[in-house]
Amino acid sequence: GAGVSQSPSNKVTEKGKDVELRCDPISGHTALYWYRQSLGQGLEFLIYFQGNSAPDKSGLPSDRFSAERTGGSVSTLTIQRTQQEDSAVYLCASRPGTVNTEAFFGQGTRLTVV
Amino acid sequence: AQSVTQPDIHITVSEGASLELRCNYSYGATPYLFWYVQSPGQGLQLLLKYFSGDTLVQGIKGFEAEFKRSQSSFNLRKPSVHWSDAAEYFCAVARYNAGNMLTFGGGTRLMVKP
Repeated sequence: GAGVSQSPSNKVTEKGKDVELRCDPISGHTALYWYRQSLGQGLEFLIYFQGNSAPDKSGLPSDRFSAERTGGSVSTLTIQRTQQEDSAVYLCASRPGTVNTEAFFGQGTRLTVV
Repeated sequence: AQSVTQPDIHITVSEGASLELRCNYSYGATPYLFWYVQSPGQGLQLLLKYFSGDTLVQGIKGFEAEFKRSQSSFNLRKPSVHWSDAAEYFCAVARYNAGNMLTFGGGTRLMVKP
């Protein structure tokens, strides 16, 4: 596709339910990032995938959060047993694997936990 | 660890006035530097980037930024602000070797008075 695509654009879920957020990166981009943006806050790094290397999970806030990237393309961020503090916009970005390149962002998924 | 500071959380300028948004980073070597803009309900759009070479870089929408190594700064400027520039602006730092993420500042929200 022309850009990074995220789905759904909005998700309302009940506290305690599991949710899956999807990111389709730009074709050929080997690097993929997930960020979280809480209301009025900056961007919080969650996880980073680069090619076939082990992902950098250092930003995941708890073991309820996990992410995978299948076939080096689509990525899914899963939040188990959602809590109200998980409410935020989740942003995905992709970047070519070479140096001197910028990251391209999707429109985000707005997650509301009620 | 690398970090990015945007000292101004909110800035209000009059339409037609000049603008400077501050960004300071903490990193031991020359980083890759970026400015992104986020309009309400939208993802992040790249305004400009610095990788190497000329320390004054030009971006889209009439923005420019200057990399000053001695001050560890990468301030964003625009000579004449338009009402459509009202948005949130994020400075970011990256080190593109294995396993590193894009680190963002807390953002500066720009309001434009008519």
